[in-house]
Amino acid sequence: DVKVTQSSRYLVKRTGEKVFLECVQDMDHENMFWYRQDPGLGLRLIYFSYDVKMKEKGDIPEGYSVSREKKERFSLILESASTNQTSMYLCASSFGDSGISPLHFGNGTRLTVT
Amino acid sequence: GQNIDQPTEMTATEGAIVQINCTYQTSGFNGLFWYQQHAGEAPTFLSYNVLDGLEEKGRFSSFLSRSKGYSYLLLKELQMKDSASYLCAVLDSNYQLIWGAGTKLIIKP
Repeated sequence: DVKVTQSSRYLVKRTGEKVFLECVQDMDHENMFWYRQDPGLGLRLIYFSYDVKMKEKGDIPEGYSVSREKKERFSLILESASTNQTSMYLCASSFGDSGISPLHFGNGTRLTVT
Repeated sequence: GQNIDQPTEMTATEGAIVQINCTYQTSGFNGLFWYQQHAGEAPTFLSYNVLDGLEEKGRFSSFLSRSKGYSYLLLKELQMKDSASYLCAVLDSNYQLIWGAGTKLIIKP
């Protein structure tokens, strides 16, 4: 079974702090994604990556950056955390380049910015 | 714009059948996914439909009508563990996933 591991389940940070969310997958998947999940909204894509050192902006990249130095690891960085970034963050991975392979999600990181 | 509509919440009885609908308007279509998400957990893949018709997988079935922009997830012989949110997502012409807000299913004994 594919395992996607997010480093923290819960995080509390202060406004203006730099925040790192880490995600590791163990199945050699090419594709990795960061989403945020908010009540009443569908999952919103922040950034994704199709290969090492590659990154593409999703629908809501503002205020975020990412890093993919190794195939198995995809990090999300909040450069200067703000209260409107309080959310559930989900990392996901998938294989192939067709787009039709299912996503495998981590358990999420619930981030609170105060 | 692109839009996916699902009911916000549904309630059903243990042992019964429930149908969760999803309608979509997207720029192109390359398939529709259903995911299940228990509270506090990761979404997990249930089904993928790209052709019209019904696909059955145990107690769960998924139906697609591309001409109507419509899908449903059918859950039979409901169990308490089926209490979860069910997420509908469409793969558009750019192979980007467009997500619905999810349907919270509550199962009562």
